[in-house]
Amino acid sequence: AQTVTQSQPEMSVQEAETVTLSCTYDTSENNYYLFWYKQPPSRQMILVIRQEAYKQQNATENRFSVNFQKAAKSFSLKISDSQLGDTAMYFCAFLLIQGAQKLVFGQGTRLTINP
Amino acid sequence: ETGVTQSPTHLIKTRGQQVTLRCSSQSGHNTVSWYQQALGQGPQFIFQYYREEENGRGNFPPRFSGLQFPNYSSELNVNALELDDSALYLCASSLAPGQHNEQFFGPGTRLTVL
Repeated sequence: AQTVTQSQPEMSVQEAETVTLSCTYDTSENNYYLFWYKQPPSRQMILVIRQEAYKQQNATENRFSVNFQKAAKSFSLKISDSQLGDTAMYFCAFLLIQGAQKLVFGQGTRLTINP
Repeated sequence: ETGVTQSPTHLIKTRGQQVTLRCSSQSGHNTVSWYQQALGQGPQFIFQYYREEENGRGNFPPRFSGLQFPNYSSELNVNALELDDSALYLCASSLAPGQHNEQFFGPGTRLTVL
């Protein structure tokens, strides 16, 4: 079974700072995807960034980037130049390519950006 | 392009009752997944429907059941409600399993069981 662990229940930084959220996962499979989702107080889960396990290059999306270490089963999210609108719960999630496309989520990290 | 919609937004039930939650998938998507998110937790996979058939199930009892209709919308039914069923229920739609695996989430239905 796959598991996802986020070891930081809460984090808080000042606006414009850089913050890194940690995520580790456990799987014996080789073909999978990893995601970071953002869930603001409005509750809607929004995809922030995705990484295919077969790609060595780390994914980037504007101010968001990941550090994907496949051997270490680590998948951290870096937010640069943080903005007030980044305040949300952030979930790391794992998806196997075969079988039912079920996302396995971590417990989440509550990120607060302070003005 | 219409996103994923869910109804109702909020619902209050009492123990032992039955509830039906509804989800309309994003245009072009034929796969719907349901997740339960307890307060302060990450979402847990309940089941997935693809072309009106169940395509995988998480560790939820049989009183959690679902349907998918020819237009790919979906229902989640929960019988004999328990207090622990209080949660946010999220629906996500996607393309067929194996294709561009991004799941798009709806805003959720907040269920409270008293």
